[in-house]
Amino acid sequence: SQKIEQNSEALNIQEGKTATLTCNYTNYSPAYLQWYRQDPGRGPVFLLLIRENEKEKRKERLKVTFDTTLKQSLFHITASQPADSATYLCAGSTRGGFKTIFGAGTRLFVKA
Amino acid sequence: ETGVTQSPTHLIKTRGQQVTLRCSSQSGHNTVSWYQQALGQGPQFIFQYYREEENGRGNFPPRFSGLQFPNYSSELNVNALELDDSALYLCASSSEDRGNSPLHFGNGTRLTVT
Repeated sequence: SQKIEQNSEALNIQEGKTATLTCNYTNYSPAYLQWYRQDPGRGPVFLLLIRENEKEKRKERLKVTFDTTLKQSLFHITASQPADSATYLCAGSTRGGFKTIFGAGTRLFVKA
Repeated sequence: ETGVTQSPTHLIKTRGQQVTLRCSSQSGHNTVSWYQQALGQGPQFIFQYYREEENGRGNFPPRFSGLQFPNYSSELNVNALELDDSALYLCASSSEDRGNSPLHFGNGTRLTVT
């Protein structure tokens, strides 16, 4: 079945460092990968979308990559801050598709 | 710009009962998707409505049904509730029913089935 997989272990980093989160997809060829942030008790908030023909996309301190050979996306937060602590969800969608498939998310903790 | 709102925020029901959850989509959005999120898991796609028609469904039984109204608001109905239906139910609206249209989520309805 189509799957989006993220590292289930929490990621703990020091303030100011770069956080890197991994997303892999299997049995699936998404045309788009999306990243969302989710805080406890809240709905996910859209951060970035990258297309399969884009290698990299940036928005402020965020950078996302899309490697169709490795079937993987990496999500980077540079100069991380305690306020970046949250769960980050990776999601895949197809060109004409109606269904966006989500991974289970990775919890990020940024220590001051 | 009004965001996605869901009601109620919390709900407790008994096994076998029926429940209706409501969602108002973001202004200008004609597509609504519903997701179920169990604790510690990612959102699981239930179905999507585009211009009042269901145009896609995930692996959920027929006792999960929905509606979309002319103003693009939506309802999720669940019949014959089971204990495993306990979860956060998320509604998301988007401007199109295509994969490159980001989802705008509400804060969900926390359903507990006892």
